[in-house]
Amino acid sequence: AQTVTQSQPEMSVQEAETVTLSCTYDTSESDYYLFWYKQPPSRQMILVIRQEAYKQQNATENRFSVNFQKAAKSFSLKISDSQLGDAAMYFCAHRGYQKVTFGTGTKLQVIP
Amino acid sequence: NAGVMQNPRHLVRRRGQEARLRCSPMKGHSHVYWYRQLPEEGLKFMVYLQKENIIDESGMPKERFSAEFPKEGPSILRIQQVVRGDSAAYFCASSRTGGRDSPLHFGNGTRLTVT
Repeated sequence: AQTVTQSQPEMSVQEAETVTLSCTYDTSESDYYLFWYKQPPSRQMILVIRQEAYKQQNATENRFSVNFQKAAKSFSLKISDSQLGDAAMYFCAHRGYQKVTFGTGTKLQVIP
Repeated sequence: NAGVMQNPRHLVRRRGQEARLRCSPMKGHSHVYWYRQLPEEGLKFMVYLQKENIIDESGMPKERFSAEFPKEGPSILRIQQVVRGDSAAYFCASSRTGGRDSPLHFGNGTRLTVT
């Protein structure tokens, strides 16, 4: 069974600064994908970034990038040049065979 | 280019009534997932369906809860004889395939309140 752990219930960052959100996971599968989703107060779940387990290169989407450490089963999200609109819950997710497992989320506050 | 459509957005039911939550997946998507989210908590997997088939219902309570995804029409999550503990946001997601590389696209959720 897969598990996803987000050990930081809340984080805060100054506007324009950089913040890193942690995520670790446990799986017996060798082929899987990892995702970060953002959930603003509107409740809509928005896909932020994805990473294939077989790719060593870390995924990047504009101001969002990941640090994927497969051996350590770690998948952190880095947000650069934080903006007020980045304030949201962030969920890490593992997609294996027929199953998508989410972490408990990290609430990110952006301070003007 | 409609995304995943869920309705109703809000649903209020009295204890003992039935709740029916609907989900129309994105165009071209034949895989549907239902999740429950309690306040200030993450998403808990309930059930995974493909057209006319339940693939994985390991997260679904054994009693009162059922789900279907018929050949025609939306996926339905049905909760019979609701209790206060059923109050939560219920999210539906769809994917094009069941493959690992196929991300989930979410609807806006249905917030169920049981009074």
